[in-house]
Amino acid sequence: QSALTQPASVSGSPGQSITMSCTGSSSDVGDYNYVSWYQQHPGKAPKLIIYDVTNRPSGVSNRFSGSKSGNTASLTISGLQAEDEADYYCSSYTSSTSLIFGGGTKLTVL
Amino acid sequence: EVQLVESGGGLVQPGGSLRLSCAASGFTFMNYAMTWVRQTPGKGLEWVSTISGGGGTTYYADSMKGRFAISRDNSKNTLYLEMNSLRAEDTALYYCAKAQRGYNKFDYWGQGTLVTVSS
Repeated sequence: QSALTQPASVSGSPGQSITMSCTGSSSDVGDYNYVSWYQQHPGKAPKLIIYDVTNRPSGVSNRFSGSKSGNTASLTISGLQAEDEADYYCSSYTSSTSLIFGGGTKLTVL
Repeated sequence: EVQLVESGGGLVQPGGSLRLSCAASGFTFMNYAMTWVRQTPGKGLEWVSTISGGGGTTYYADSMKGRFAISRDNSKNTLYLEMNSLRAEDTALYYCAKAQRGYNKFDYWGQGTLVTVSS
């Protein structure tokens, strides 16, 4: 099964809001509310920032929010900060392979 | 504090085998599913396998079925990944991660152990 589709890169200026997408199919994103988002800084392990589409783990800034419409999930980061520059990966439960990741989006803070 | 420390990576020839370990601490290991996720250098994440807290249920990505085996020793708080018939495309940084709840979201990750498959 192919990876979930994410844009290769997005960018924004400090203080702005950005939204990145994660597109799957009716067998994964569209059929289950089990989409997660991970932030990964260079040389570091991924960090869970959103789970079950909209939920934030304790300690994660409320500047991060998630949503879903049909087969596409989205991550929005408001009040962009320099420290948000990182790679972001979505994942979804899928009935056929259990779990699938997106290809990742590189966020650049201008 | 939750800690996950992977070990066992290294250089192995195509067709060879390797056993990865992940030592866990800071939480009640047996109560949580655990997973392996790999990352090819410079590329994205790929789910490998997940095992239930008791060890009785396992899940594998299609490309790893029959070649990889996940297991755990709850008395030693350790997760394992036995990898056989290794291919060049298995070269990656292998992370172990703790499931937050259920099987599909992971709230703590180790720093990874690098597996290189090359002759």
